[in-house]
Amino acid sequence: GAVVSQHPSWVICKSGTSVKIECRSLDFQATTMFWYRQFPKQSLMLMATSNEGSKATYEQGVEKDKFLINHASLTLSTLTVTSAHPEDSSFYICSARQDPNTGELFFGEGSRLTVL
Amino acid sequence: AQRVTQPEKLLSVFKGAPVELKCNYSYSGSPELFWYVQYSRQRLQLLLRHISRESIKGFTADLNKGETSFHLKKPFAQEEDSAMYYCALRGTGNQFYFGTGTSLTVIP
Repeated sequence: GAVVSQHPSWVICKSGTSVKIECRSLDFQATTMFWYRQFPKQSLMLMATSNEGSKATYEQGVEKDKFLINHASLTLSTLTVTSAHPEDSSFYICSARQDPNTGELFFGEGSRLTVL
Repeated sequence: AQRVTQPEKLLSVFKGAPVELKCNYSYSGSPELFWYVQYSRQRLQLLLRHISRESIKGFTADLNKGETSFHLKKPFAQEEDSAMYYCALRGTGNQFYFGTGTSLTVIP
């Protein structure tokens, strides 16, 4: 199957700094990628839909200025957590579809953010 | 509103016993539903989708529009089925919404 890779897998940062997480589709092009946030022992919460070459579509309640998403190419989407705070500590997971018709999502391995 | 509900956070069954993971949804249009699975230390992956009407690893799921359900079933659970299972709904904007997940443990 298709492969989606995230980097870094774990990042620790100080409160107030910004952190960028990358999501790459390694063997296919993805016009759309999705960013999820997962709290411990809880579900995946859809944060935003990343569209190549256009603005991301954010879900209700997700701060656009806090979570900056850029989808500059067909294989790369980035999520930047700006001015991170301890409450932003979470597991961030991206996914992409290889074939829009099938609806199957391919997930990255996730990125753990710890804000001190 | 689009919503997926999985009422059971934890489910334990003995090996060889039947297993059913419940999923209910709320959606105004014609739903497209999926089951995703996450095995220990692995990433999420697609198990099956209702459109395909397929059986994967012995699992099946039938869409019941009257009950707005998409329960996942397997007649004889195996130890390797122990994992986290997520029911997902594909929304109008092509977004995917996930349930809270059910952790299945198959007891040897």
